[in-house]
Amino acid sequence: QKEVEQNSGPLSVPEGAIASLNCTYSDRGSQSFFWYRQYSGKSPELIMSIYSNGDKEDGRFTAQLNKASQYVSLLIRDSQPSDSATYLCAVNMGARGSNYKLTFGKGTLLTVNP
Amino acid sequence: GAGVSQSPRYKVAKRGQDVALRCDPISGHVSLFWYQQALGQGPEFLTYFQNEAQLDKSGLPSDRFFAERPEGSVSTLKIQRTQQEDSAVYLCASSLSDEAFFGQGTRLTVV
Repeated sequence: QKEVEQNSGPLSVPEGAIASLNCTYSDRGSQSFFWYRQYSGKSPELIMSIYSNGDKEDGRFTAQLNKASQYVSLLIRDSQPSDSATYLCAVNMGARGSNYKLTFGKGTLLTVNP
Repeated sequence: GAGVSQSPRYKVAKRGQDVALRCDPISGHVSLFWYQQALGQGPEFLTYFQNEAQLDKSGLPSDRFFAERPEGSVSTLKIQRTQQEDSAVYLCASSLSDEAFFGQGTRLTVV
């Protein structure tokens, strides 16, 4: 069964620190990777997508992908209390652009302490 | 519309009752997905439409679950003879290419 694994946490960091969230996936052929943020009682919100090995930066967020290790991570710099949420790693295990279904991890709960 | 819209936001059903959940995707998005999210878990895939064609229904947990998208836009997820284990948040997402965007979800509680 194709899987996406995340440390469920909770991960607690002080305000201003770097939060590091990690995810591994089982299907070596996967090509599209996403991070969603989900506040309690709300729906998942797409915050990052990454398709190629290496880093992709968007504001305070950096996604990192290593296909050889089947590993994707999300770094949040200068963490703010408003970043406190569950972060979901999602993998599209079909070909890129195939609009295939997403397989989600269980999510990592992040708490940023003021 | 500006985003994916789902209705109702909350639904309480008595065990054995039929329910229908509606999803209105982002205009122009050909792909539509339904997911089920249990408390403390990530969303689990239920079914996928490309326009009006249901291309994958492998995630539907039983034959009590049925989804349709007759005109390639609005979709309805129907659950017949609801059971307590059906209690969850049902999320709809739409996509034009690789990135999928979610609606607010419908929280179904079966009592």
